[in-house]
Amino acid sequence: DTQMTQSPSTLSASVGDRVTITCRASQSINSWLAWYQQKAGKAPKLLIYKASTLENGVPSRFSGSGSGTDFTLTISSLQPDDFATYYCQQYNGWPWTFGQGTKVEI
Amino acid sequence: EVQLVESGGGLIQPGGSLRLSCSVSGFTVRDNYMSWVRQAPGKGPDWVSVLYIDGKTYYADSVKGRFTISRDTSRNILYLQVNSLRVEDTAIYYCARWGGYGYGLDYWGQGTLVTVSS
Repeated sequence: DTQMTQSPSTLSASVGDRVTITCRASQSINSWLAWYQQKAGKAPKLLIYKASTLENGVPSRFSGSGSGTDFTLTISSLQPDDFATYYCQQYNGWPWTFGQGTKVEI
Repeated sequence: EVQLVESGGGLIQPGGSLRLSCSVSGFTVRDNYMSWVRQAPGKGPDWVSVLYIDGKTYYADSVKGRFTISRDTSRNILYLQVNSLRVEDTAIYYCARWGGYGYGLDYWGQGTLVTVSS
């Protein structure tokens, strides 16, 4: 199985900050990586797929980059609505696996 | 408008069975890749199963042989039959649409809670 490791686990930030979250795969997953945002009591929401493609309707302050084993999610200017937990997920092969999450808090 | 609504969760004893349902509107389960993902309390999501358009299925090793994904195309419902439940199967179970190769899980339901406890 491909293990996904996110860092940091928790990130303290302020509105307007540039935030970067890292996700590392235990083996190459090409660009088959998605990023999700999850708020308390809600289902995950797809932000980015294929490592860098923004899902329809997602604000352009979110961006993704990387390929192979190292990936990043960047929020260019953190907004109040962005305080949430973020997960990466690989879908290069079965089983699909998620990272353990990064909680972005004030 | 796309909507996925799960049901069928509840409190069940170890070894028991449930059938989870995901009622879909806004697209057809017959023409889309569908998946189940679960999330234990306080943990990250954990992929469970996927059903391809052509009927092919894949399962996580932890549920293989105990869970079965299926669909009713006439009613536009996705199912997950969960048997031989274990305490560690306790989680919110979400159904989601997979956009296909190269895409992520783009539509999710609100989830149904399965609690396995004696």
